[in-house]
Amino acid sequence: EPEVTQTPSHQVTQMGQEVILRCVPISNHLYFYWYRQILGQKVEFLVSFYNNEISEKSEIFDDQFSVERPDGSNFTLKIRSTKLEDSAMYFCASSGPSAPLFFGEGSRLTVL
Amino acid sequence: QKEVEQDPGPLSVPEGAIVSLNCTYSNSAFQYFMWYRQYSRKGPELLMYTYSSGNKEDGRFTAQVDKSSKYISLFIRDSQPSDSATYLCAMSLIPNTGNQFYFGTGTSLTVIP
Repeated sequence: EPEVTQTPSHQVTQMGQEVILRCVPISNHLYFYWYRQILGQKVEFLVSFYNNEISEKSEIFDDQFSVERPDGSNFTLKIRSTKLEDSAMYFCASSGPSAPLFFGEGSRLTVL
Repeated sequence: QKEVEQDPGPLSVPEGAIVSLNCTYSNSAFQYFMWYRQYSRKGPELLMYTYSSGNKEDGRFTAQVDKSSKYISLFIRDSQPSDSATYLCAMSLIPNTGNQFYFGTGTSLTVIP
């Protein structure tokens, strides 16, 4: 069964460092998303991406965040200068024609 | 006012019970409704999705949408200990346009053997 895969599963970084989280969406999907979930809190929308452009972004997705689809399979989230409050689970998701949202297992980011 | 409201629980039921999980929403333009199950420190797993008002059944799970009341429900029959998880409702406007999906806070369910 097709699935969304994410790497790394866990990353520990120092405050101020850059982090790149990687995702391989389901192959025939066209819409890509990043969500995050701070421990014990709700799943929060960050950004959606379609046709190599951002479709929608939340107020959380400020200038320190960026997304990219560098090739035909990967979808990345970059955090330029991490802050303590960026510590969370980051979920990549994708959807396609007549398909709901499918999530990856997440990348846990710990900022020290 | 939050887009999607969901009672966080926790909800604790004996094995074999019928579980009812609910969400209300404020935006009448929502058209696409989903339920996800999330185990601790794992990604949300899609359980059910539907476009329309009414009931949709899949095994022990039934999703119900009442657009006139802006209310959706998930029923779990013959609940099992393996159903213990957090259940998230989600909804969106026109699907497959890159619009965000709006999530409830999740309801924590424990099924006691």
